[in-house]
Order: sequence, then C-alpha cells, then structure tokens
Amino acid sequence: QVYLVQSGAEVKKPGASVTVSCKASGYTFTYYAIHWVRQAPGQRLEWMGWINTANGNTKYSQRFQGRVTITRDTSANTAYMELASLTSEDRAVYYCARDDREALDFWGQGTLVTVSS
Amino acid sequence: QSVVTQPPSASGTPGQRVTISCSGGSSNIGINTVNWYQQLPGTAPKLLINSKNQRPSGVPDRFSGSKSGTLASLAISGLRSEDEADYYCAVWDDSLNGPVFGGGTKLTVL
Repeated sequence: QVYLVQSGAEVKKPGASVTVSCKASGYTFTYYAIHWVRQAPGQRLEWMGWINTANGNTKYSQRFQGRVTITRDTSANTAYMELASLTSEDRAVYYCARDDREALDFWGQGTLVTVSS
Repeated sequence: QSVVTQPPSASGTPGQRVTISCSGGSSNIGINTVNWYQQLPGTAPKLLINSKNQRPSGVPDRFSGSKSGTLASLAISGLRSEDEADYYCAVWDDSLNGPVFGGGTKLTVL
C-alpha cells in the first residue's frame, strides 16, 4: 500500500522559512517523481514544483521561483519542500503527491502552514 | 498566466447524471490530457480519472471523463449523496511546464 506521510502543522513568523517533509512507503521511491501543491483557504490547488527523485532534478513554478527549494533524501525515502520569505499570503495547506506519469495518483495528508507575527 | 476554468458550483438529485466542465486553452487542454480529482471537506484530493481516462482501483464506473478540443468534462451518473465534494480538473501546461488546476466545482447533492 502506497503512503505519503507529511510532517505536522507549522506556525511561522513573517520572513521566516518553513520546511515540510513527505515520507514515502509502499513503493520504490526513486521510480516516481514527487510534486508539491498548495491550497490557500477557499482557493484552488496551486502547483509549486516537482522533483525527479532518481536524479534530484527539479522544476519550479515561476510564481515560486527563488523562494521554493525541493530536495529529497533517497536513503530516507523522503522529499522536502522549503519555502522562504513567508508572508501571510503563504498561509495554506501544502500537499506532496506522487506522479505516476499519468496523474498525481497518491497524495499526502497535507500540512497546514500558518504565518503570523 | 495559464487559466483553466470550471463552474464554481453544480448540483443534482440522487440518481441523476451531472456533468462538470473544464475549459482551457491551446497550451494545456488543447494538446494534453486531463485528470480529475475529488476533494472531500478537510481531506487531500483523490485521483478519479487519469490521463488515459482510466479510473484507479476503487473508483466506481459512475465517473467518466471526456475531452473535445479545449473543453474537458467529468460526468457522474447515478448521483449519490457521498459524491458531494469539490471536483478539480488538472492538465499539464506546456507554457508553465507543470500542471495547472481548474478553480474547482462544488457539487451539491440535493
């Protein structure tokens, strides 16, 4: 059974950075890319970027370019998403999702990030 | 900014057939296939239809997808109360070089 388990909720101050982890199990981690998608309250899903878990290559949405960094640790079957220079606009639920080349077929449970002074 | 548009709401009565549309452009739906996701309140999105128009194991065949030109559609037949959820289309956008999501459609079962 495929699982993506994310780290817990975070509260950060404006200007800080946040790192969310996504631990995969039930499949070979390096066979599938991992995407990060966020959802602000009442808003649509918004793609942030993805990582090729085999070679570490990344692609980021231009909207987040320069602020987001996606990495992975193949020994821990875990992907990470770091978002810097947080503002109140970054308050959202952040999801990781597995890419099976046809769709994002499995999703993490989501991590709420709150930005508050 | 690439835009994929869905109606904000849809509704139907139990047993009815409901269709949700997803309108895009030449850089996304016009040239790539569409996925559909269901999101129940407070939960992560769940894949309903993949790019090959297939349903993952466990998704009933009441759900089906189609596409014509730059317009895609999700059809739900035999509507049930548990279908009440938000539905999102998603498609790879060649100008974004990533997936773009529609705004979501809130389905109400009356």
